[in-house]
Amino acid sequence: DGGITQSPKYLFRKEGQNVTLSCEQNLNHDAMYWYRQDPGQGLRLIYYSQIVNDFQKGDIAEGYSVSREKKESFPLTVTSAQKNPTAFYLCASRAGAGEQYFGPGTRLTVT
Amino acid sequence: AQTVTQSQPEMSVQEAETVTLSCTYDTSESDYYLFWYKQPPSRQMILVIRQEAYKQQNATENRFSVNFQKAAKSFSLKISDSQLGDAAMYFCAYRSAQTGTASKLTFGTGTRLQVTL
Repeated sequence: DGGITQSPKYLFRKEGQNVTLSCEQNLNHDAMYWYRQDPGQGLRLIYYSQIVNDFQKGDIAEGYSVSREKKESFPLTVTSAQKNPTAFYLCASRAGAGEQYFGPGTRLTVT
Repeated sequence: AQTVTQSQPEMSVQEAETVTLSCTYDTSESDYYLFWYKQPPSRQMILVIRQEAYKQQNATENRFSVNFQKAAKSFSLKISDSQLGDAAMYFCAYRSAQTGTASKLTFGTGTRLQVTL
């Protein structure tokens, strides 16, 4: 089945550690996105990529980094510089001018 | 920059009844898209309905329909014959139609819909 997978579903880390969230899609979509969701807030864009080996900062990129070495994969690294990393992270992909399709998300808890 | 406002943090509807969720947005653009996404307890974001700003006709998808008022910058979602499975967070979202914007979505803060028996 075609779709977007994010792993793991729940992730726990100690403060000061970098952590990488996985996002893989087999939809052959060119564009991929990372969003952050906090309670009482909508989704906010962290980074996006429209093509392999290219990506741009979204509205809240500070403390995050990404790579796009393959069309299918767009991993997000939450660095120790991110002051409030505990959140729900959603990955999405889009083909052409079509809609964004979302993965199931990863809940990151940093203590 | 565009903004999307959902002024109803929570709504409640009885099963089989009709409910309307409100959304307003601010933009200086004339061509854009508007969306309603549903996020059930599983937290998977599901596209409910889409409206293209240049189309005057309101979009409908089965029990879901919108009231798009471009001049008022209003985009409400009507759910008819509500079902227990409609209980979820609903997000309104905006996307510019301009090239070079990478189809980024701007979301509202969401409305939590409860469906009661």
